[in-house]
Amino acid sequence: EVQLVESGGVVVQPGGSMIISCAASGFTFDDYSMHWVRQVPGKSLEWVSLINWDATRTYYADSVKDRFIISRDNSKNSLYLQMNSLRTEDTAFYYCAKDRASRGYSSGDSWGQGTLVTVSS
Amino acid sequence: DIQMTQSPSSLSASVGDRVTITCRASQGISSYLAWFQQKPGKAPKSLIYDASTLQSGVPSRFSGSGSGTHFTLTISSLQPEDFATYYCQHYRLYPPYSFGQGTKVEIK
Repeated sequence: EVQLVESGGVVVQPGGSMIISCAASGFTFDDYSMHWVRQVPGKSLEWVSLINWDATRTYYADSVKDRFIISRDNSKNSLYLQMNSLRTEDTAFYYCAKDRASRGYSSGDSWGQGTLVTVSS
Repeated sequence: DIQMTQSPSSLSASVGDRVTITCRASQGISSYLAWFQQKPGKAPKSLIYDASTLQSGVPSRFSGSGSGTHFTLTISSLQPEDFATYYCQHYRLYPPYSFGQGTKVEIK
């Protein structure tokens, strides 16, 4: 069974930095691209970032480009999102999701439970 | 970037009703479209991918259709556990893979 568990969500001041993590199990981690998707409470889903299976390609939404960095450690079955220059509008639940396609790019077929990042002074 | 627009934004329906939600892409996306269901306080759940392929374990009352720019999600007979918010998402070529704004299905 695929399991994805996010962690690291805390309260941080505007302009600050933080890193959130996603621990994966139940599948061959280094065969799949991974996504980060966020959701402001009560609002719709926003795709944030994707990293391919061997970490050679990364993609970002315009809203986070040049501020966020996605990475992965395939030896630890872990996904990360380094978030810099945080803004109040980055406050959201952050979900990691496993891509459906082996060694491809598609939609997320399994999702974690989410971690709440709050940016507030 | 490709924009996704869902309609309606919300609807009220009764158990047993047939429900249809529409998703339109700002440019052609072939069949690179997924549908998700989200209940309050929970993570999204994958329902359909490639516009019409049911994710394993999803009840057959859910179906998807369309290609190009116009897509639909249909629930043939609404069940109590189907009251939720539904999102479409494209995944044509390379990211960003935008979502629609969501359709909330409420009890009439």
